[in-house]
Amino acid sequence: QKEVEQNSGPLSVPEGAIASLNCTYSDRVSQSFFWYRQYSGKSPELIMSIYSNGDKEDGRFTAQLNKASQYVSLLIRDSQPSDSATYLCAVNDGGATNKLIFGTGTLLAVQP
Amino acid sequence: NAGVTQTPKFRILKIGQSMTLQCAQDMNHNYMYWYRQDPGMGLKLIYYSVGAGITDKGEVPNGYNVSRSTTEDFPLRLELAAPSQTSVYFCASSYLAGVGNEQFFGPGTRLTVL
Repeated sequence: QKEVEQNSGPLSVPEGAIASLNCTYSDRVSQSFFWYRQYSGKSPELIMSIYSNGDKEDGRFTAQLNKASQYVSLLIRDSQPSDSATYLCAVNDGGATNKLIFGTGTLLAVQP
Repeated sequence: NAGVTQTPKFRILKIGQSMTLQCAQDMNHNYMYWYRQDPGMGLKLIYYSVGAGITDKGEVPNGYNVSRSTTEDFPLRLELAAPSQTSVYFCASSYLAGVGNEQFFGPGTRLTVL
């Protein structure tokens, strides 16, 4: 069974620090990788997508992908209290139906 | 564009009742999905559709049914509601499959079965 694993947290960081969120996946054929942010009681919101090995930066967010190690991470620089949320890692199953496999999420708490 | 919309936002059902959760998108997306999210868990795929008239089961389809008569709408039907179906239900859509086609989510329906 295809799996996506994340540390459940909570991950607590002080304001202004770097938050590092990690994710591993089991299916080598996966080609698309996503990070969703979910505030309590809200729906998942896409914040980063990455498809190639290496780093992808968007503002304070950097996604890192290593397909050989089946590992994807999200770095949040200069963390703000507003970044406090659950971060869901999602991996495309590699098929023609664009199905996503989600991890259970990591709860991030940024302390003012 | 409204994006993906879902109704109702909240619903309480009694055991054995039935209901339909509505989902609509105005982005002309071909692919639509229904997920459920239990507390502290990730999202589990219930059903999905790759176009009007085409649906298929996901990971947790038991107790649910879907139909897709138009590109815009993808309702989820619960028959004979059970307490195990208490969850938050999210509908999502994407334009195509393949690299670069992200899924966008609706606001969710919080369902309680008592």
